[in-house]
Amino acid sequence: DAGVIQSPRHEVTEMGQEVTLRCKPISGHNSLFWYRQTMMRGLELLIYFNNNVPIDDSGMPEDRFSAKMPNASFSTLKIQPSEPRDSAVYFCASSAAKYYNSPLHFGNGTRLTVT
Amino acid sequence: RKEVEQDPGPFNVPEGATVAFNCTYSNSASQSFFWYRQDCRKEPKLLMSVYSSGNEDGRFTAQLNRASQYISLLIRDSKLSDSATYLCVVIRYGQNFVFGPGTRLSVLP
Repeated sequence: DAGVIQSPRHEVTEMGQEVTLRCKPISGHNSLFWYRQTMMRGLELLIYFNNNVPIDDSGMPEDRFSAKMPNASFSTLKIQPSEPRDSAVYFCASSAAKYYNSPLHFGNGTRLTVT
Repeated sequence: RKEVEQDPGPFNVPEGATVAFNCTYSNSASQSFFWYRQDCRKEPKLLMSVYSSGNEDGRFTAQLNRASQYISLLIRDSKLSDSATYLCVVIRYGQNFVFGPGTRLSVLP
């Protein structure tokens, strides 16, 4: 069974550049989540989708961040322009929301470094 | 006050010891509860769900106390491989997963 697949695993970029993170959820899961994790702030929810529709984006830090889910098997998180304080590990996770008590399954994460 | 709180630790215990972690949550409408484990530089992985009547999975026991709004995780006969950060997770409503800050455990030889 393929799990949640994220790419790239690592991304190093310069301040001001555009960064695009990609995620393929587990087939059949209808909820998708983007999280960011840093030592200082722990795991923070950025946005989540249900049936490809954004439900809660209150965690998106500012307008530089945007997320899309054009279909059930793909999502992107874009940062434009990137800043050094965006350096973190970004996790995508999916869940079968139609089942009560269904847990989250995480991808391996993208480690982003903005210099 | 944070919605989900945990003692950050670290808990340093010898191999074979029993160790327990608590997690408190502030929203009484919380519906579902989980424990996740996260190894250094890896993604969080589901350890176990927490059921109202309590549940056990091998050396791990999870308990839920709705009246006092806390969940607990007990690890018996701890192994070196249990060293990780343990994250408490609460679902408030729908699919709104709220993670605690995690408790770090180090099992020492």
